[in-house]
Amino acid sequence: DTEVTQTPKHLVMGMTNKKSLKCEQHMGHRAMYWYKQKAKKPPELMFVYSYEKLSINESVPSRFSPECPNSSLLNLHLHALQPEDSALYLCASSQGPYIDRGQETQYFGPGTRLLVL
Amino acid sequence: RKEVEQDPGPFNVPEGATVAFNCTYSNSASQSFFWYRQDCRKEPKLLMSVYSSGNEDGRFTAQLNRASQYISLLIRDSKLSDSATYLCAVNGVTGNTPLVFGKGTRLSVIA
Repeated sequence: DTEVTQTPKHLVMGMTNKKSLKCEQHMGHRAMYWYKQKAKKPPELMFVYSYEKLSINESVPSRFSPECPNSSLLNLHLHALQPEDSALYLCASSQGPYIDRGQETQYFGPGTRLLVL
Repeated sequence: RKEVEQDPGPFNVPEGATVAFNCTYSNSASQSFFWYRQDCRKEPKLLMSVYSSGNEDGRFTAQLNRASQYISLLIRDSKLSDSATYLCAVNGVTGNTPLVFGKGTRLSVIA
C-alpha cells in the first residue's frame, strides 16, 4: 500500500489567516517532502524531512513553517500568505532519504489546493 | 543547461499509436530515474522506475542512455486513458539532491 493522505483537499484563506496543511503516511517511510505546484509547472521542492529532522529548506519564505511531529506526520503551517502562494501543495514520502539508492522513490499524496484571497 | 529537460509537447496522437518521450539530464552522477504520470488537477503517480538500462511494464517501456544522459518512455498501442502529463524525475546521489522534475510532456490520445 503506497498511500499518502493529505488534509484538507481544498483551502481558501485570507492573507491574515493562520492555517495548517496535514500529511500522513503509514508505510514506515523515513523521508517526507513538501512541494508546491503551480498550474502547468512541475512540482517545486520546498522542504525535506529525513528521520524527522529538517534536512532541506529550499529558501522558502518564513510564512511557510514545516513541522514533523513524528515519523508518520508532516505539517505545513501557513501564516500571512500572499495571493501568489495559491497553488497545489503536495506531500510525498519515500522509504529512505534521497541519498539511499533504491529507497528514494517518492509517493505523492493527493495534495491540498490552496487559494489565498 | 537545465538539470532536467523535457519536450513540453503537446503530443496529440490517435488511439493505437506508439509515442515516445525523451528527457535529458545534466548531472552525470545521477543514479536513479523515474517517470511519473500526472492527470489534470491530480497528484503525480509513479509510472516506472529506471535503474539500469531500462525496463518494461505492459505497453510502457522506459530506457536509460547514460552515455547521452537521457531517459525515454515509449507507450505502445495508446489508449484514451493514457492522456495525461508525463513527468520525468532524476535523483542525483552525488551532492545529496532529491528528485528534480522535468517540466512534463502533455499527451493527448484522440479517438
